[in-house]
Amino acid sequence: DAEITQSPRHKITETGRQVTLACHQTWNHNNMFWYRQDLGHGLRLIHYSYGVQDTNKGEVSDGYSVSRSNTEDLPLTLESAASSQTSVYFCASSALRGFLVFGPGTRLTVL
Amino acid sequence: AQSVTQLGSHVSVSEGALVLLRCNYSSSVPPYLFWYVQYPNQGLQLLLKYTTGATLVKGINGFEAEFKKSETSFHLTKPSAHMSDAAEYFCAVSEGFNNNDMRFGAGTRLTVKP
Repeated sequence: DAEITQSPRHKITETGRQVTLACHQTWNHNNMFWYRQDLGHGLRLIHYSYGVQDTNKGEVSDGYSVSRSNTEDLPLTLESAASSQTSVYFCASSALRGFLVFGPGTRLTVL
Repeated sequence: AQSVTQLGSHVSVSEGALVLLRCNYSSSVPPYLFWYVQYPNQGLQLLLKYTTGATLVKGINGFEAEFKKSETSFHLTKPSAHMSDAAEYFCAVSEGFNNNDMRFGAGTRLTVKP
């Protein structure tokens, strides 16, 4: 069955460190997205990609970057982790005009 | 820009009672509307969606929602709550096809009492 996997599922890091969260999908979707989920805010879009070599900034992109070298993967990098980036991160994918399919999430704590 | 307001961060119902989760949206064009459900420690799953056509939309697990343009609402209902419905529910609105403009509400946590 097609799926989206995220790793790690839990991560604790220190302020200032670089962190990369992995996202892998086997839906063969062109569109991929990264969201963060914070209490009282719902989900907010960080970055998205419509295909290989395409990346775009979302609503809350400062301090984050992504790269898309193949269809299946969209890793999210926190350049220099800050306590404000403590959150639950969700990767999602979709086909053109399709609904979002979400991964299980990564809980990140920045100390 | 489009936005969503979910009325009530917590809703508690008894098993067998009606479930009503409220969602109001703001959009400058005819919207695409969604309800997602999130069970503990899991990602979001699509419950139902409205794109065009019939304004009463049926989803999985007995849920349905009605698009009311005049009230800018897309409330989620289920006639009889089950213990397994306990979860967090998110309403979302999009104006485009590629989901990059999707805006989510803050979520409503549904508790079902035995």
